Amino acid sequence: DAGVIQSPRHEVTEMGQEVTLRCKPISGHNSLFWYRQTMMRGLELLIYFNNNVPIDDSGMPEDRFSAKMPNASFSTLKIQPSEPRDSAVYFCASSFSAGRAYEQYFGPGTRLTVT
Amino acid sequence: SQQGEEDPQALSIQEGENATMNCSYKTSINNLQWYRQNSGRGLVHLILIRSNEREKHSGRLRVTLDTSKKSSSLLITASRAADTASYFCATAFTGGGADGLTFGKGTHLIIQP
Repeated sequence: DAGVIQSPRHEVTEMGQEVTLRCKPISGHNSLFWYRQTMMRGLELLIYFNNNVPIDDSGMPEDRFSAKMPNASFSTLKIQPSEPRDSAVYFCASSFSAGRAYEQYFGPGTRLTVT
Repeated sequence: SQQGEEDPQALSIQEGENATMNCSYKTSINNLQWYRQNSGRGLVHLILIRSNEREKHSGRLRVTLDTSKKSSSLLITASRAADTASYFCATAFTGGGADGLTFGKGTHLIIQP
């Protein structure tokens, strides 16, 4: 299995531009998570989906952030418009939850720099 | 907000020694997990311990959980240079389905050859 796939791996953009991050979870997994990692705030949960349905988006910092999961094999995290404080590493993770505690599998991350 | 707090923030030991990292959390949990992150990489799951368990082993890893003190420890025995990484504890509130994890800020472990 290829694991969780994220693209792009690096993104540099100017303030005000739209940014779209992509994630392909592990085949067969039914839960998908988006996290953000910064030096100041550490790892933060932004949003997660179960069976393609958003369950909890309370971690999404502002309305500028949105996430979709149109099918079981693809999710996007969009920032519009982007700001310098959005610079961070964004991780996607997936898991298979079937009524018990589970582990999450993380992708390699997308390093976003907003200038 | 951060649920877990790891201690120490940084740890440097000689290869072959044991490394112990601690984690404290604030609210009731269903399970606690430890992850490793190598520089510039994603996180890798190490071990999961449920709230009704007190100790768990996996290879050179030993995890303990004290729910009365809301704390956990990760012990790595006979450390190797390849163990150099950041280690995070993460808590989950429910275990019946998907649940986002709340991470601590991590312990940066350096194993000196």
